[in-house]
Amino acid sequence: AQSVSQHNHHVILSEAASLELGCNYSYGGTVNLFWYVQYPGQHLQLLLKYFSGDPLVKGIKGFEAEFIKSKFSFNLRKPSVQWSDTAEYFCAVSNYGGATNKLIFGTGTLLAVQP
Amino acid sequence: KAGVTQTPRYLIKTRGQQVTLSCSPISGHRSVSWYQQTPGQGLQFLFEYFSETQRNKGNFPGRFSGRQFSNSRSEMNVSTLELGDSALYLCASSLGLAGADEQYFGPGTRLTVT
Repeated sequence: AQSVSQHNHHVILSEAASLELGCNYSYGGTVNLFWYVQYPGQHLQLLLKYFSGDPLVKGIKGFEAEFIKSKFSFNLRKPSVQWSDTAEYFCAVSNYGGATNKLIFGTGTLLAVQP
Repeated sequence: KAGVTQTPRYLIKTRGQQVTLSCSPISGHRSVSWYQQTPGQGLQFLFEYFSETQRNKGNFPGRFSGRQFSNSRSEMNVSTLELGDSALYLCASSLGLAGADEQYFGPGTRLTVT
C-alpha cells in the first residue's frame, strides 16, 4: 500500500539551530511532493512543492526541500529556525498520473522552537 | 477572495446518530477533498470530488460518504457514528486535482461523539 513516513514525531530546537525533517514515501514511478504547515490556531497551508525539474525546491519563510529519487525521500530543511517556525509540518505525496492519484499525508512532525 | 469555509465548526453527537458536514470551496475551485485529522494519525484521506464525481476514496468504511454539487460545494455524511469517529474533519479545495495542485484548507469541523 502507498505510504508516507515522517520519522520525527516531535522535534525541539533552540532558535538559530538548523532543521531537517525527514519524509520517505513508498510509491514507485512519478510523484508530486508537498510540504504543508499548520501554525498554532491557523489553517494548514502549503510550504513548498515539487513536481519536476530542479530537485532542490525553495518555499516560503526560508524553507527548502530536496527530492532524492533513489532514496524515495523529500526532506525539509531550514538553516536557522525562529520561534515563529513552531508548528506542525506534514509531508504529502501523490503518484500523479498513476492508477489512483491519491494525495497521501504523513502523520506530521510537531516542531517546537525555544527562544 | 474568500477562503474555504466549513460548517458547522463544532458538533457533538451521540453514538449511532448520523452527521452531515458542509464545505464551500474557494470560488472557481473544482476539487474538494476531505480528511480526518486525529492526534498521532495525521491527515487521513477520506475522498476527493472533482466536478461532482468522486475521483478517489480512502480506506474508510461505507458509513463515510460524500457528494459534490454543481456549484462545487461538498457535503460529507457519517452514519451510525462511533466513538472513534471523534476527530477534526478538514476540507480542502484546489483548482485542479489534489495530487497535482496546491490545496487550500478550511478551519475544519470538530466532531465529538459521546
